[in-house]
Amino acid sequence: KQEVTQIPAALSVPEGENLVLNCSFTDSAIYNLQWFRQDPGKGLTSLLLIQSSQREQTSGRLNASLDKSSGRSTLYIAASQPGDSATYLCAVKDNYGQNFVFGPGTRLSVLP
Amino acid sequence: GAGVSQTPSNKVTEKGKYVELRCDPISGHTALYWYRQSLGQGPEFLIYFQGTGAADDSGLPNDRFFAVRPEGSVSTLKIQRTERGDSAVYLCASSQGGGRSLDTQYFGPGTRLTVL
Repeated sequence: KQEVTQIPAALSVPEGENLVLNCSFTDSAIYNLQWFRQDPGKGLTSLLLIQSSQREQTSGRLNASLDKSSGRSTLYIAASQPGDSATYLCAVKDNYGQNFVFGPGTRLSVLP
Repeated sequence: GAGVSQTPSNKVTEKGKYVELRCDPISGHTALYWYRQSLGQGPEFLIYFQGTGAADDSGLPNDRFFAVRPEGSVSTLKIQRTERGDSAVYLCASSQGGGRSLDTQYFGPGTRLTVL
């Protein structure tokens, strides 16, 4: 059974810092991996989707990498801003199922 | 519509009661997912519809939970004889394709269910 973990559980940084969020998964036979953002009391917003054949995806200040063999993905946020404060979740869709398995999330606070 | 909508936004009920939660997916999306999210956790998969049929209901915790999508658009999640442990935020998502497609999922704002 696929299990997804995220480290750290919470992170607080001053504005302007570059930061890295980590995601690990136990079964490397994944179909794709997606990073989401969740604001308090809101649903999830998709940030980046990486296909199993890809190694990274970029969107603006965000860069997500994927290393399937080691079961890891990282989300890099450049020049963080207070508006980036939210919970970041990674989710994997494996080759056996049709749904996403989510990690518990990293709660990010960017201080002005 | 512009996005996935869910009603009600909040539902408070008493233990043992029956509740229905509604999801309106993005128009034209064939795939619809239900997830449950407890405080401090990531969403947990419940059920996935492709069109009108439940393609995967392996995440439903027990037979008190049931979901329908009779016309392939709106879906209703039904919970019988609610228990305090059912309290959570219930999220709905839709995507243009489903299953093994690479389409991203678009999430609704969720329904916060509280069972007293």
